[in-house]
Amino acid sequence: DGGITQSPKYLFRKEGQNVTLSCEQNLNHDAMYWYRQDPGQGLRLIYYSQIVNDFQKGDIAEGYSVSREKKESFPLTVTSAQKNPTAFYLCASSWDMRLPQHFGDGTRLSIL
Amino acid sequence: KNEVEQSPQNLTAQEGEFITINCSYSVGISALHWLQQHPGGGIVSLFMLSSGKKKHGRLIATINIQEKHSSLHITASHPRDSAVYICAVRSATGNQFYFGTGTSLTVIP
Repeated sequence: DGGITQSPKYLFRKEGQNVTLSCEQNLNHDAMYWYRQDPGQGLRLIYYSQIVNDFQKGDIAEGYSVSREKKESFPLTVTSAQKNPTAFYLCASSWDMRLPQHFGDGTRLSIL
Repeated sequence: KNEVEQSPQNLTAQEGEFITINCSYSVGISALHWLQQHPGGGIVSLFMLSSGKKKHGRLIATINIQEKHSSLHITASHPRDSAVYICAVRSATGNQFYFGTGTSLTVIP
């Protein structure tokens, strides 16, 4: 079955620690995205990538970093510079920026 | 002010009722999306609209470009329709997406 796999489902981070969220897709999509979802707010775009080895900042990129070394993979690192990392993180992909996005099941990150 | 506003924020219905969720937006768009988010968090794309009306099973989505308004209707609602429904628009000018805060629907048997 084609789809997007995010792991882990739940993640806990200590203060000052970097953590990496995994996102893998087998849909052969060129574009991939990372969103953050907070209670009472709409999804906010962190980073997106339209092609391998290229990515762009979204609306709230500070404190986050990404890489796109392979078409199917778009990992997100939440760095210690992100002062309020507790949130639900969603990865998505699409053929290009115009088409509906397919979403993963999300990773819930909490601070210990 | 959010670029995308949804109403109502929360909605409780009896099984079988006809449901309407509204979405208004303030930017020029190239497309509008309706998404469904289940309690586990995963999101499914229901519709993409740029004009008119689309129907899929018991779900109907309409858009009025002049009014900058879209509605999602669910006919003969069922408890499995309980989810958060999110309206999202893609800007006409570029690769910008704006998301509403969602409407939480609970359908009671």
